[in-house]
Amino acid sequence: NAGVMQNPRHLVRRRGQEARLRCSPMKGHSHVYWYRQLPEEGLKFMVYLQKENIIDESGMPKERFSAEFPKEGPSILRIQQVVRGDSAAYFCASSPIEGGSSYNEQFFGPGTRLTVL
Amino acid sequence: KQEVTQIPAALSVPEGENLVLNCSFTDSAIYNLQWFRQDPGKGLTSLLLIQSSQREQTSGRLNASLDKSSGRSTLYIAASQPGDSATYLCAVLRDYKLSFGAGTTVTVRA
Repeated sequence: NAGVMQNPRHLVRRRGQEARLRCSPMKGHSHVYWYRQLPEEGLKFMVYLQKENIIDESGMPKERFSAEFPKEGPSILRIQQVVRGDSAAYFCASSPIEGGSSYNEQFFGPGTRLTVL
Repeated sequence: KQEVTQIPAALSVPEGENLVLNCSFTDSAIYNLQWFRQDPGKGLTSLLLIQSSQREQTSGRLNASLDKSSGRSTLYIAASQPGDSATYLCAVLRDYKLSFGAGTTVTVRA
């Protein structure tokens, strides 16, 4: 059973470009979470999605950031008009059961390291 | 707002010594607590999950305790090895989201 897959592993963008980060959850997992790890900071929750639904996006910046998890295909985190402050490691996690459960164990991917020049 | 603190921030021990890593959290209304390992430039590996109703979990040389009422968890690693060198993260789950501590960076000297 393959783990959570993320691509690309490294992404370099110039200011003003768009960044698209992809996450394929573990087989059988229908719950996806995105976290961001800024330099010298801990991981912070961004968004929780189920297939075709955004459940909780309380950690997402209000502008330029969006996420989706379509019926078919990977989850996408999209950052429009990137700025230097967006440089960070973006991690995706997945779980087989509902997010608000004591049995919820989140399995993390290797992350995408975004560098904005 | 949940605050998670890990002490110490860094730890260096000789091979064979036992490791004790501490985690505290401010809001005891959690669903569970997970300990992760993160290697430089890599993702997170889940080590142990303790549900809110449990007091401890064990896996091999690892043992984690949870005292929810006092907002504390401790990760014990017995007989440390150089391969245990990594950053260890504590995270508590509430309302779908994990809140992470800043981590303890462990170096085991051969």
